[in-house]
Amino acid sequence: GQQLNQSPQSMFIQEGEDVSMNCTSSSIFNTWLWYKQDPGEGPVLLIALYKAGELTSNGRLTAQFGITRKDSFLNISASIPSDVGIYFCAGPANAGGTSYGKLTFGQGTILTVHP
Amino acid sequence: NAGVTQTPKFQVLKTGQSMTLQCAQDMNHNSMYWYRQDPGMGLRLIYYSASEGTTDKGEVPNGYNVSRLNKREFSLRLESAAPSQTSVYFCASRYLADSLDTQYFGPGTRLTVL
Repeated sequence: GQQLNQSPQSMFIQEGEDVSMNCTSSSIFNTWLWYKQDPGEGPVLLIALYKAGELTSNGRLTAQFGITRKDSFLNISASIPSDVGIYFCAGPANAGGTSYGKLTFGQGTILTVHP
Repeated sequence: NAGVTQTPKFQVLKTGQSMTLQCAQDMNHNSMYWYRQDPGMGLRLIYYSASEGTTDKGEVPNGYNVSRLNKREFSLRLESAAPSQTSVYFCASRYLADSLDTQYFGPGTRLTVL
């Protein structure tokens, strides 16, 4: 199956700092999804990207669909304590299509924000 | 509208015991999924059900069985639990409308096998 590699694996930042994380694949994706998982909860969709080069924002979050279609980036500006959690990228489990909606996930980036 | 619900939230089993994890969604979604989450490995698909009456294996199906009881409910069964099945289990259902194709997740079941 396809694999997604996220980096960094973890981040420790001060409140107010900006955060950048990325996700890469050896295969071309036509969809990129970014999820956040709060401690003790299930993942929640933050941003969905469907076109190469697309830049989409959701409040302080901005995500980009890489031009090569093999990567995606998530930025968080002016971090706050409630940004703590695990951020996952995800894409269709089969190249070029969702195949019954199956997703493959990156390993996650653990974000810790110090007040 | 509760979304995706899972029971139980926590469970401790002894090796060899069996149990069923329950999942239900009230969003009238056709497709449902079971994942396991282990540290540093993201979420891995165990089984999925594309529609009522169908189930199929995902990436890590060994040691598990599933039942799509009806459109709302999709259960995961461990027939003989092993320590390697200690994990957090998530159920999800697929939302597909217009240009958005994503999944909604339940709160998870934290399973420990001793």
